[in-house]
Amino acid sequence: GAGVSQSPSNKVTEKGKDVELRCDPISGHTALYWYRQSLGQGLEFLIYFQGNSAPDKSGLPSDRFSAERTGGSVSTLTIQRTQQEDSAVYLCASSLTGWSTDTQYFGPGTRLTVL
Amino acid sequence: AQSVSQHNHHVILSEAASLELGCNYSYGGTVNLFWYVQYPGQHLQLLLKYFSGDPLVKGIKGFEAEFIKSKFSFNLRKPSVQWSDTAEYFCAAQYNNNDMRFGAGTRLTVKP
Repeated sequence: GAGVSQSPSNKVTEKGKDVELRCDPISGHTALYWYRQSLGQGLEFLIYFQGNSAPDKSGLPSDRFSAERTGGSVSTLTIQRTQQEDSAVYLCASSLTGWSTDTQYFGPGTRLTVL
Repeated sequence: AQSVSQHNHHVILSEAASLELGCNYSYGGTVNLFWYVQYPGQHLQLLLKYFSGDPLVKGIKGFEAEFIKSKFSFNLRKPSVQWSDTAEYFCAAQYNNNDMRFGAGTRLTVKP
């Protein structure tokens, strides 16, 4: 079946603009994660959605970052007033139940460049 | 805060050489451990994972990893690498359902 998809694959924006990144998880997966991979850094956890529960936003770096997940499926990560340090690859992953024993399946990522 | 460290930033090997990539994680109670691989131009894929039981875990493509609890380590090994193993390798530790920590990654270059 189809894997996790993300769009756009690349996004170039100017400093101060808002951007929206989209993630389509694997159908039937209840858990969805957003990560950020900055150049030379490991993956950094941003936010986690599990079913209808309130999301865990503990990894969001600032209040300029927000995410929502509509209908328990598609998720959008929004970055307001982008800064150059926001440049990174943003990865989305989904898992069937969100339990720690579940495998997370990653999307191809969105490469964000803030000029 | 929990963290994962990978000792090698870039490893260069010739084909048929043996590989060992180091990974250490910080203590945090029960932890699940993973190795992911990202081939050039592709997305992250799971190589292997450890939850419990036999500390020697075998994954895809001939990779294995050994969980050593006393050393908080989960090193990745392969007896004989191939050119196609050229990729970036990430170690990860999951401390609860939503607290997954990744190492900075190790870039492996295998020379033909």
